[in-house]
Amino acid sequence: GAGVSQSPRYKVAKRGQDVALRCDPISGHVSLFWYQQALGQGPEFLTYFQNEAQLDKSGLPSDRFFAERPEGSVSTLKIQRTQQEDSAVYLCASSPSGNTEAFFGQGTRLTVV
Amino acid sequence: AQTVTQSQPEMSVQEAETVTLSCTYDTSESDYYLFWYKQPPSRQMILVIRQEAYKQQNATENRFSVNFQKAAKSFSLKISDSQLGDAAMYFCAYRGVRRGTYKYIFGTGTRLKVLA
Repeated sequence: GAGVSQSPRYKVAKRGQDVALRCDPISGHVSLFWYQQALGQGPEFLTYFQNEAQLDKSGLPSDRFFAERPEGSVSTLKIQRTQQEDSAVYLCASSPSGNTEAFFGQGTRLTVV
Repeated sequence: AQTVTQSQPEMSVQEAETVTLSCTYDTSESDYYLFWYKQPPSRQMILVIRQEAYKQQNATENRFSVNFQKAAKSFSLKISDSQLGDAAMYFCAYRGVRRGTYKYIFGTGTRLKVLA
């Protein structure tokens, strides 16, 4: 596609519910990043994939957060047993390789009520 | 660990005037990239300008230019002839070049208001 696509754009979840956020990177991009952006803050790194390999997951805040990219293209960020502090915008970015400019999607705004 | 600091939560500028947004960072690396991103209400992060640390010349993109002071670890963004469409959140970001340091580290942002 023309850019990084994320779905859904908005998600409202009840506390304790599981959610799955999808990222479609630019075709052919090897690297994929997930970021969490709390209200009024800058994005914070969650995890990084190179193809299907998750090379860095140091930013995942708890074991309730899980990301996968099984075929080296589409990625899913899953949050189990959502809590209010999980409310944020989740941004996905992709790049042709790790050491090149990343292109960002429009994010998914998650609200946990 | 690398950090990025933006000390101006909000700035205002009159249309057609010039404004400078500040950013400082900390790193022990000698080579890296610095970026300024614009984030309008649509949430799309739009690259404004990029600076490679090994290049001494300050980057320029049309009305946008940077003042990169490597020794002082300072990276400010100057917007000339400000336009209403420049109103947005602006984020300064750092990225390493070594394998394993590709993640972007962002500052907390500066909200720019452009007054007609």
